Amino acid sequence: GAVVSQHPSRVICKSGTSVKIECRSLDFQATTMFWYRQFPKQSLMLMATSNEGSKATYEQGVEKDKFLINHASLTLSTLTVTSAHPEDSSFYICSAPAQGQDGYTFGSGTRLTVV
Amino acid sequence: SQQGEEDPQALSIQEGENATMNCSYKTSINNLQWYRQNSGRGLVHLILIRSNEREKHSGRLRVTLDTSKKSSSLLITASRAADTASYFCSPAQGGSEKLVFGKGTKLTVNP
Repeated sequence: GAVVSQHPSRVICKSGTSVKIECRSLDFQATTMFWYRQFPKQSLMLMATSNEGSKATYEQGVEKDKFLINHASLTLSTLTVTSAHPEDSSFYICSAPAQGQDGYTFGSGTRLTVV
Repeated sequence: SQQGEEDPQALSIQEGENATMNCSYKTSINNLQWYRQNSGRGLVHLILIRSNEREKHSGRLRVTLDTSKKSSSLLITASRAADTASYFCSPAQGGSEKLVFGKGTKLTVNP
């Protein structure tokens, strides 16, 4: 079935640095990728929608200059957390509509800790 | 896109028992999807039921949809400890729309 590979699974970074998270669709073309953030014991919050070849669409309240999304190809979407702060520590998950099957396929998530 | 509201928020049962969780939504849909999230992992798609379907089965899962009441239920039969996870529903209009999620039902299956 459709698989989205997300890397890294865990990352620890210092305040002020940037972190890039990658999501690759392994056996299908993902023209659209959704990015979520999840705080402990809470639900997933949609951050933005990336579309191959065009600018990402951000949800209300999400800083587009802080969370840079790039969808450079049909198999790769990236989220860069710029100038990270401890409050950006969270679980980030990507998702794409699964071609040829029901539902959406999700990456395994990235646990970001900013110290 | 609309968010589903899962109920109960938490459910604790013994292995072998059945688990039922419910989902309500507000506006008409094309389909409704159920997902499972194990702790610290991404979501896994369980089942999709379309608006013209009333019931659907997949292994130990049974999903119902009542469009007149704008509600759905997910039944897991003969539960196992490995079913311990959070379960989310997502009502959808179809196409490649963005999915939004509620708080989910946290299911604990005790061995």
